[in-house]
Amino acid sequence: GESVGLHLPTLSVQEGDNSIINCAYSNSASDYFIWYKQESGKGPQFIIDIRSNMDKRQGQRVTVLLNKTVKHLSLQIAATQPGDSAVYFCAVRGQTGANNLFFGTGTRLTVIP
Amino acid sequence: NAGVTQTPKFRILKIGQSMTLQCAQDMNHNYMYWYRQDPGMGLKLIYYSVGAGITDKGEVPNGYNVSRSTTEDFPLRLELAAPSQTSVYFCASSYRTGGIHNEQFFGPGTRLTVL
Repeated sequence: GESVGLHLPTLSVQEGDNSIINCAYSNSASDYFIWYKQESGKGPQFIIDIRSNMDKRQGQRVTVLLNKTVKHLSLQIAATQPGDSAVYFCAVRGQTGANNLFFGTGTRLTVIP
Repeated sequence: NAGVTQTPKFRILKIGQSMTLQCAQDMNHNYMYWYRQDPGMGLKLIYYSVGAGITDKGEVPNGYNVSRSTTEDFPLRLELAAPSQTSVYFCASSYRTGGIHNEQFFGPGTRLTVL
C-alpha cells in the first residue's frame, strides 16, 4: 500500500502571510498528487493537482511543488486569507492506471486576522 | 449540475441494524468511490467502481457492500452495523478519458453513528 503523511497537524499564520503545507509519500511509483481543502462539515474540495512528469504547478494563489527524489510535495498559499482556514489533505495515487487515492491525515490551517 | 449528492446527511443506527447510504452524480463520471473518514484522520477507500456493473474493493471493504447498476448511482450497504463503523462517509466521482484520470469530486458526506 501507500503511506502518506503530513509534517505538521496544525499550522497558524497571520492574514496576508504565505502558508506552506508539506506532505511526504512512500511509493516511488506514485504518479498523481492532489491537494484538497476540507471545511468543517463539508466534503473535500479540489485545490490543485500535479502529475509526476512535473515538479511545479501554479494556480490562483496556490502553488504545488513536487520533489520525487525525496518523495515530498508541498502546497504554498500566497497572501493567506481567513477563508483559507480549513484542513488540507494531500492525496497520492498509488500506481499508474489505477485511481485509488491514499490520503494523509491532514493539516489544520488557522489564519489569524 | 448538482454534482455529487448523498443521503442521508445524518443517521444513528443500533448495533446489528442495516442501512444503505445513497450516492448519485449527474456529471456522467465513469468512476465512483466510497470513503470513510474517522475523526482527525484522512479518508480511506472502502469500495470503488470503474463503470456500471463493475465494482472493486478498496483499502477497508469489510462490513460493506456496493452495487453499480447505473452510471449515476453508487449505493453503499451496511448489513450488520458495528460501533467500529461510526464515521463520516464520503462518496466521490471522477472521469477517466484516454487513460488520463481527473480529480475526484466529493459529496457533502453522511455522518453515521452506531450505538
